[in-house]
Amino acid sequence: AQSVTQLDSQVPVFEEAPVELRCNYSSSVSVYLFWYVQYPNQGLQLLLKYLSGSTLVKGINGFEAEFNKSQTSFHLRKPSVHISDTAEYFCAVSYRDDKIIFGKGTRLHILP
Amino acid sequence: DTGVSQDPRHKITKRGQNVTFRCDPISEHNRLYWYRQTLGQGPEFLTYFQNEAQLEKSRLLSDRFSAERPKGSFSTLEIQRTEQGDSAMYLCASSSRTGKFYEQYFGPGTRLTVT
Repeated sequence: AQSVTQLDSQVPVFEEAPVELRCNYSSSVSVYLFWYVQYPNQGLQLLLKYLSGSTLVKGINGFEAEFNKSQTSFHLRKPSVHISDTAEYFCAVSYRDDKIIFGKGTRLHILP
Repeated sequence: DTGVSQDPRHKITKRGQNVTFRCDPISEHNRLYWYRQTLGQGPEFLTYFQNEAQLEKSRLLSDRFSAERPKGSFSTLEIQRTEQGDSAMYLCASSSRTGKFYEQYFGPGTRLTVT
């Protein structure tokens, strides 16, 4: 069975500082990997996805993530955060191209 | 805007009442999914349709829950005899195949509060 662990429930970071949100997954087969963002009172928006190929994936809003198969990780990074990045971030996996399994989320707090 | 829409956005009901939510997918998307998100948790898969066929149901979907997608267009999710534990955000997503992958697009959700 597939599962996703987001190692931090909350991450505070100063504006314009870099940030890394950590994600580990468990699966005995190849999976697709995603990061979604949820702004307050809104639905989920796809930030980026890894399907195959290059392990460094670039997404929207300056975010990127690196797939590490040996460590079963898919950490999300941004070199300089802005106040508008305040949101909840979900790491997720999908197997067989149907349902998505989500982690519990990491709330990103941007400090002025 | 041609995104996924959900109605209502908020629903408050008393325990024991029945509720029904509607999801309108992106036009021509043949797959439609329902997820439930409780406070402090990530979304959890409930069920999904390909056209009008319901292909998978989670164990989370008890007998009190039923979903339909008549004619492969909009979908409804009904909860009978609601319980306080049903309070959650119910998310709908739709997708169609792009290359080798079905990318899911999510609606804004319906927030259910059971009092």
